[in-house]
Amino acid sequence: EVQLLQSGGGLVQPGGSLRLSCAASGFSITSYTMNWVRQAPGKGPEWVSSIFGYASSTHYADSVKGRFTISRDISKNTVSLQMNRLRAGDTAVYYCVKRGSSDGSYFSDYWGQGNLVTVSS
Amino acid sequence: QTVVTQEPSFSVSPGETVTLTCGLNSGSVSYSFYANWFQQTPGQTPRTLIYNTDTRSSGVPDRFSGSILGNKAALTITGAQADDDSDYYCVLHLGGGIWLFGGGTKLTVL
Repeated sequence: EVQLLQSGGGLVQPGGSLRLSCAASGFSITSYTMNWVRQAPGKGPEWVSSIFGYASSTHYADSVKGRFTISRDISKNTVSLQMNRLRAGDTAVYYCVKRGSSDGSYFSDYWGQGNLVTVSS
Repeated sequence: QTVVTQEPSFSVSPGETVTLTCGLNSGSVSYSFYANWFQQTPGQTPRTLIYNTDTRSSGVPDRFSGSILGNKAALTITGAQADDDSDYYCVLHLGGGIWLFGGGTKLTVL
């Protein structure tokens, strides 16, 4: 059974840092692209970042490029999102999301439970 | 700046057919954009209805279908039911590993 168990999140001041983790089970993260998607209160989802399963290449939305870093630990089957220089506009629930197919056409078949990140002084 | 466009809201009566669209502020959507459609109800994570433009996700009723209509991706609900009263989002692959969500359509079934 596929599970994505997230940890991290919380309240942080503007300019601060936070790290989110996503422990995957039931599949290998080297076989699928993993995404981070966020959803601000009352807003739609926003794709944040991806890390490819087979090549470990990474991609970022313009809104987070240079501030956020996605990484993975194959030995722990875990994906992480390091968030630096956080802004009020980064306040959202962050979801770890598994890509549904190896060809990239299936954006998501499983979502983590989500972690609330609140950036406020 | 690229923007994915969706109708902000739509209203339909039970049993009617409704088509929601997903476009680009500049350019056309084709199969190469791998359009995915999601349904989201309050407090829930998005549920994938359609991926790769026209492939239904496992367990999704066949009243939901995806296609390309003109220069947009489209989600058609044939015979809308009360349970379909939700927010619907599309996401497009812009190339280079970059994905962009639309702003969503609030569908009211009444």
